[in-house]
Amino acid sequence: GDSVTQMEGPVTLSEEAFLTINCTYTATGYPSLFWYVQYPGEGLQLLLKATKADDKGSNKGFEATYRKETTSFHLEKGSVQVSDSAVYFCALSDLDTGRRALTFGSGTRLQVQP
Amino acid sequence: GAVVSQHPSRVICKSGTSVKIECRSLDFQATTMFWYRQFPKQSLMLMATSNEGSKATYEQGVEKDKFLINHASLTLSTLTVTSAHPEDSSFYICSAGDSSFYSNQPQHFGDGTRLSIL
Repeated sequence: GDSVTQMEGPVTLSEEAFLTINCTYTATGYPSLFWYVQYPGEGLQLLLKATKADDKGSNKGFEATYRKETTSFHLEKGSVQVSDSAVYFCALSDLDTGRRALTFGSGTRLQVQP
Repeated sequence: GAVVSQHPSRVICKSGTSVKIECRSLDFQATTMFWYRQFPKQSLMLMATSNEGSKATYEQGVEKDKFLINHASLTLSTLTVTSAHPEDSSFYICSAGDSSFYSNQPQHFGDGTRLSIL
């Protein structure tokens, strides 16, 4: 079945540091890929998405590129802020398999220190 | 943009109580809604897929009689945790797909319900 693997956290960075959170996937079909962010005590918010190979999703300074050859969708940000502290989830949806729910990675907690 | 409202945001109740959680799509028709459960510091696990006008599809290991799902209209799905016990304490999150869902558009998530059973 489909699966998503994320790097384990927590990731602790100083403000203005460069961020990379690795995400790789396995899928039967041709999935769409997503990054969601969860702030403490809240639900999930869509951060960015990509629906086909070589697409780059971007939002709020975050970027991720859909790499079919490496089955990856790594999240990057050039300069993190304290307000970016949250849990980040990589996810995929794969309609080709008939499964419409999202498959999530385990989540990576980011802590940004001033 | 599309919004999903989940209510209540927090519930604290005694063991044996049944608890109903509502998930509403506010500005679109949601033919499909999903219910997830999240344990502390863990990922979201799909519990069931709720389809408007038909029975929900439960994931393996999820008790149908324990977690009752009703999707009676295109804007409302409810999850009822029957005879809740402390092990049911968790963070429950719903999500909904709109009419463009089949084009792989992202789901919209509610803010979650934190259920605590004493």
